Amino acid sequence: DAKTTQPTSMDCAEGRAANLPCNHSTISGNEYVYWYRQIHSQGPQYIIHGLKNNETNEMASLIITEDRKSSTLILPHATLRDTAVYYCIVRAWWGAQKLVFGQGTRLTINP
Amino acid sequence: ETGVTQSPTHLIKTRGQQVTLRCSSQSGHNTVSWYQQALGQGPQFIFQYYREEENGRGNFPPRFSGLQFPNYSSELNVNALELDDSALYLCATPGTSGGGGTDTQYFGPGTRLTVL
Repeated sequence: DAKTTQPTSMDCAEGRAANLPCNHSTISGNEYVYWYRQIHSQGPQYIIHGLKNNETNEMASLIITEDRKSSTLILPHATLRDTAVYYCIVRAWWGAQKLVFGQGTRLTINP
Repeated sequence: ETGVTQSPTHLIKTRGQQVTLRCSSQSGHNTVSWYQQALGQGPQFIFQYYREEENGRGNFPPRFSGLQFPNYSSELNVNALELDDSALYLCATPGTSGGGGTDTQYFGPGTRLTVL
């Protein structure tokens, strides 16, 4: 079973920041938080990952709470092309490459 | 681009037939994982290959099997196809092309299998 909980769907206006929450209250000390997204019928696309510090790259920012039990993915200026299903996954940084996907959040960017 | 390619893009088979799906990666990593994604669901882990040996399997029956070759390309074979095998099949390998580091999984575009 997935170790994360996400809202089923969210809407955001184009040009605004999209904030996608994820709950991972059972995360252990050696587990990272990974975010992927999947645009219709394509392979999942890696977005960002982090352990305990906030992270930022050219696609998004990841904010992880101090107790690491939840995180938020931020798309700072959402475009129509950001419409996708977003998956939050926790996994250990070493060893097994298995990713356990939940249902994800279906994010719709509206013009 | 992830550098992970899969073939074919689409495939239609009938129940009881056998199918082979292929995956290759520019990263040359010695680990490959396969996932099945039914319509409306998240991807489900089938198995992983490491240095040409199966190294972990999800809740899939033995009629799902795989091969990994010395050039790190990989095949997923499914025997005795059932209607419920209709899905998007994804392979993933670790790599560095996407900025996530050597331990991040990168996915191919998938093969859409339809079983009639």
